[in-house]
Amino acid sequence: QVTLKESGPALVKPTQTLTLTCAFSGFSLTQPGMRVTWIRQPPGKALEFLARLDWDGEKFYSNSLKTRLTISKDSSKNEVVLTVTNLDPVDTATYFCVRDLGHLDFWGQGILVTVSS
Amino acid sequence: ERVMTQSPATLSVSPGDRVTLSCRASQDISTNLAWYQQKPGQAPRLLIYRVSTRASEIPDRFSGSGSGTEFTLTISSLQSEDCAVYYCQQYFNRPPWTFGQGTKVELK
Repeated sequence: QVTLKESGPALVKPTQTLTLTCAFSGFSLTQPGMRVTWIRQPPGKALEFLARLDWDGEKFYSNSLKTRLTISKDSSKNEVVLTVTNLDPVDTATYFCVRDLGHLDFWGQGILVTVSS
Repeated sequence: ERVMTQSPATLSVSPGDRVTLSCRASQDISTNLAWYQQKPGQAPRLLIYRVSTRASEIPDRFSGSGSGTEFTLTISSLQSEDCAVYYCQQYFNRPPWTFGQGTKVELK
């Protein structure tokens, strides 16, 4: 059974760095073809691709946010970490981690992160 | 970056109606198209991938069609539990993936 769960702070201040962790089970990121992606959704708005980490270590980022994003994995755990630097109130959103086969077949429940002073 | 455009933004329908949602890609994406359903307060759920393949446990009243740049999601007979926002997503070649702006299906 595939599951993913996001964790991190619910509230961060502008200019700070956000670190989110995705803990997953039911698959391995060492398995060829496996990938984990982060998606976000501002309140009432559409879904937005942020970053993807592949089984072979390749990484992909949003064109508009790539200077502020870093995706990585904890090799000792089934976890993928996303950092977002220099936060702004427009970064307020629910952040989802998902298993990515091109289509996104399993989603975490999401974590709402509010950026406010 | 491929832009995905969904129409209409909102659809007001009655139970039992046949419902058609459209999604257009700014460039050819072949058959690399998925549809998701999202209800309030929930994560999106994969409905259909590769244009027309239903995901696990998705009822057969949901179907998808199209190729290239024009795609359609059809609900053959709307049930009240189908009221939600529907998103299309392209996954052609390499990321970044892109989503449409969503179509909200609501009861009249």
